[in-house]
Amino acid sequence: GQQVMQIPQYQHVQEGEDFTTYCNSSTTLSNIQWYKQRPGGHPVFLIQLVKSGEVKKQKRLTFQFGEAKKNSSLHITATQTTDVGTYFCAGPQGGSEKLVFGKGTKLTVNP
Amino acid sequence: DTEVTQTPKHLVMGMTNKKSLKCEQHMGHRAMYWYKQKAKKPPELMFVYSYEKLSINESVPSRFSPECPNSSLLNLHLHALQPEDSALYLCASSPVDSRSGYTFGSGTRLTVV
Repeated sequence: GQQVMQIPQYQHVQEGEDFTTYCNSSTTLSNIQWYKQRPGGHPVFLIQLVKSGEVKKQKRLTFQFGEAKKNSSLHITATQTTDVGTYFCAGPQGGSEKLVFGKGTKLTVNP
Repeated sequence: DTEVTQTPKHLVMGMTNKKSLKCEQHMGHRAMYWYKQKAKKPPELMFVYSYEKLSINESVPSRFSPECPNSSLLNLHLHALQPEDSALYLCASSPVDSRSGYTFGSGTRLTVV
């Protein structure tokens, strides 16, 4: 079945440094979604990318979808302590209703 | 209302108990989901309901029994669980085409003793 790989598994940064997490699918995706889960919390939807090569920005967050629609990245500029949490990418399996999550990247930010 | 409400938030149950988890949304979403999340792991899909009908069962053991009484409610009935079933159980909803992402509830943290 489809697999969604995500790296790195953990990332520790100093406040103000940049952060990037990468997601790679074994198959072409119709779309890719990104979620953030704070410690002790639940996943919160951040964004969905649909088009090949798409780039979307939300303040300090930049999301990219690869030209082949098999990879994606999330980049945070100048991290803040409020950015801590685990960031998951997720893609639909085979166009079905099943959303497959990557293993996530846990971000810690040292003030 | 843009929330998914789950009750209870915490549940401790014995292996012989029967309990139910409840989930409610009033966003008009016609797809609803149950996910299981173990510590430091991603959410794992258990069930998908589309238009109140079960469309996906990810080979979940029969001790977990989902129910969708109407378009706003989703239940998960639990019976004879094992300690390894202890986890965070997340309910989510979305439009059927899921193009606007999933809205997750805050989850029920279940401990089986």
